[in-house]
Amino acid sequence: GAVVSQHPSRVICKSGTSVKIECRSLDFQATTMFWYRQFPKQSLMLMATSNEGSKATYEQGVEKDKFLINHASLTLSTLTVTSAHPEDSSFYICSARGLGRSSYNEQFFGPGTRLTVL
Amino acid sequence: AQKITQTQPGMFVQEKEAVTLDCTYDTSDPSYGLFWYKQPSSGEMIFLIYQGSYDQQNATEGRYSLNFQKARKSANLVISASQLGDSAMYFCAMRLTGNQFYFGTGTSLTVIP
Repeated sequence: GAVVSQHPSRVICKSGTSVKIECRSLDFQATTMFWYRQFPKQSLMLMATSNEGSKATYEQGVEKDKFLINHASLTLSTLTVTSAHPEDSSFYICSARGLGRSSYNEQFFGPGTRLTVL
Repeated sequence: AQKITQTQPGMFVQEKEAVTLDCTYDTSDPSYGLFWYKQPSSGEMIFLIYQGSYDQQNATEGRYSLNFQKARKSANLVISASQLGDSAMYFCAMRLTGNQFYFGTGTSLTVIP
């Protein structure tokens, strides 16, 4: 199947700093990327949908100024958690759909990024 | 509002037996897709099976089959011949026409040797 990578896999930061998470589609062009947040032993919550070259669409309750999403190319989307606080600690997962090897019916998930804010 | 419900927080199954994981959904969209994903302790989401709302036949992928009952709005996952490696969290998800995916709360499956 198609491959989606995330970097970093784990990050620990101090409260008040900003953290950038990258999501890359390695063997297909991702026209749409999704960002999810998952708390321990809970489900994935969709945060936002980003289409290449346009502004992300955020789900209700997600602060767009806190979670900045950029999808500048067909292979890269970034999520920046600005002024992170301990309550932002979570598992962040991206997924991608698009052209090429990916099936129209599927979205391919990255391996996730575990963010810990001290 | 769209909604996915998984009522079984945890399930146990004997190795080599079959197990059914329940999923019900609620949407007013006429076109939607239903998915099952497996999430092992490593955290990666692994696609298992897909069912389109207009598909007439139940989807099957190897040991996985999806029991799709449209009128009841259910999309249960059946895993046959369970293996120890099947122990993981299983999530049902629904994709709507806007391409957003919404996930259920998950079922933790433990396969007993």
